[in-house]
Amino acid sequence: DTAVSQTPKYLVTQMGNDKSIKCEQNLGHDTMYWYKQDSKKFLKIMFSYNNKELIINETVPNRFSPKSPDKAHLNLHINSLELGDSAVYFCASRGTADTGELFFGEGSRLTVL
Amino acid sequence: GENVEQHPSTLSVQEGDSAVIKCTYSDSASNYFPWYKQELGKGPQLIIDIRSNVGEKKDQRIAVTLNKTAKHFSLHITETQPEDSAVYFCAASRGWGGGNKLTFGTGTQLKVEL
Repeated sequence: DTAVSQTPKYLVTQMGNDKSIKCEQNLGHDTMYWYKQDSKKFLKIMFSYNNKELIINETVPNRFSPKSPDKAHLNLHINSLELGDSAVYFCASRGTADTGELFFGEGSRLTVL
Repeated sequence: GENVEQHPSTLSVQEGDSAVIKCTYSDSASNYFPWYKQELGKGPQLIIDIRSNVGEKKDQRIAVTLNKTAKHFSLHITETQPEDSAVYFCAASRGWGGGNKLTFGTGTQLKVEL
């Protein structure tokens, strides 16, 4: 039973297209995140939602728009895709209990041609 | 904001040897320092963490040390095994609750050779 699941796992698309990545967690956590991992493996936070409310919004182009319909789901929509958007996008969740552990999904590899 | 530097970027050791990865952080208010392991094709997974009220923590073959004055912390893996081969990330944040932003280091590719 996967704790944090993302779909799709792989996404290949053309420049200029719009695409979405979906994320769901069944851990009952209040906070969810999107991280971007580039080709050099660098992990950078993009957004964070706590109970459907945006709490972290890093310097990300406006073409990226997160949406959280409920606290178990956090989706990422990307408009007008560019070559530089190619990366692995990780969804993660974190509880508010005493542990600080982030639980990551398996990632969605986006390739823009 | 927080900046976390990690060294080395690649590390190759013989099976059974020890491996050490070092990180420095810039924000003196950071008080939570986890380490994540990322295997090929998977998401990062927490292996050990330390809070600023302790200087060292150990879990079987893995240990982490923290020097708050120098603002650096290290991961030590003893008796390395082939399954330890992975990318390791250090991270730092102010607090460990859901709303705290975790900043990751640049990663270390560890290869354990037979």
